[in-house]
Amino acid sequence: DADVTQTPRNRITKTGKRIMLECSQTKGHDRMYWYRQDPGLGLRLIYYSFDVKDINKGEISDGYSVSRQAQAKFSLSLESAIPNQTALYFCATSDRVPGQGPPLNEQFFGPGTRLTVL
Amino acid sequence: DAKTTQPPSMDCAEGRAANLPCNHSTISGNEYVYWYRQIHSQGPQYIIHGLKNNETNEMASLIITEDRKSSTLILPHATLRDTAVYYCIVNSNSGYALNFGKGTSLLVTP
Repeated sequence: DADVTQTPRNRITKTGKRIMLECSQTKGHDRMYWYRQDPGLGLRLIYYSFDVKDINKGEISDGYSVSRQAQAKFSLSLESAIPNQTALYFCATSDRVPGQGPPLNEQFFGPGTRLTVL
Repeated sequence: DAKTTQPPSMDCAEGRAANLPCNHSTISGNEYVYWYRQIHSQGPQYIIHGLKNNETNEMASLIITEDRKSSTLILPHATLRDTAVYYCIVNSNSGYALNFGKGTSLLVTP
C-alpha cells in the first residue's frame, strides 16, 4: 500500500462548488504539505502543517483552507471553486527535522489529485 | 532562499551518463542543495541532497563546486525510466518547504 494517499484522484466540478481533497499518510511523519502544480510549472506551496496544532499559509493560500484532523490526515478545501484553481494538487509529508543537519528531511509525495473547475 | 537556474531541457542516450547542471550563485553558507525529479505528472521523488561535499547514493551523484555556486546531478547510466523533470532546489535552515522552479526536462532516448 502507498505511504501517502490522496482522494479523489480526479475531480471535475463547477464554479462555486465546495471541494475537499484528502490526504492520508502511514509514514508517521509530523509534517504535511499541500502543493499545486499548473501545466509546465513547478509546484507551489499552498499550506503546510508541522503538527496537528500548527498550520501555516504558504505562497498561494488565498481561496484555500486546510484541516489537520490527525497526525495522519491533512485535508485541503476550496470553499468556492473557480476555474483558475484547475490544477494538479499534491500532498507531501516529511519527518521532524533533527537539531543538526539539513533543514528539510526528504519529502514524500502522494500521487496527486487532478482537479478541473468548469 | 537562493534562486536556481537550470536549462529547460536536455537529451541523453540510454546507457550514457546524464549530467544535469544547476546554477545557484547566490547560495549562502547554511543552504543545502536538493534534487528531486517528477516522472510524467506523478508526485516528485527525492533524489539526493548536499551542503558542500560531493554525495553519492544508489540513484545518483551530486557534485558541488568548491565555491558552491553551482552543482551537477549525475545519473551514471541513464535508462528510459529516468526520463523526467529534474528540480534543483536550494533551502536554508529557515526554509519550511521546497521551492520548485521549472526544472530541467530530461529525455533519455534509445
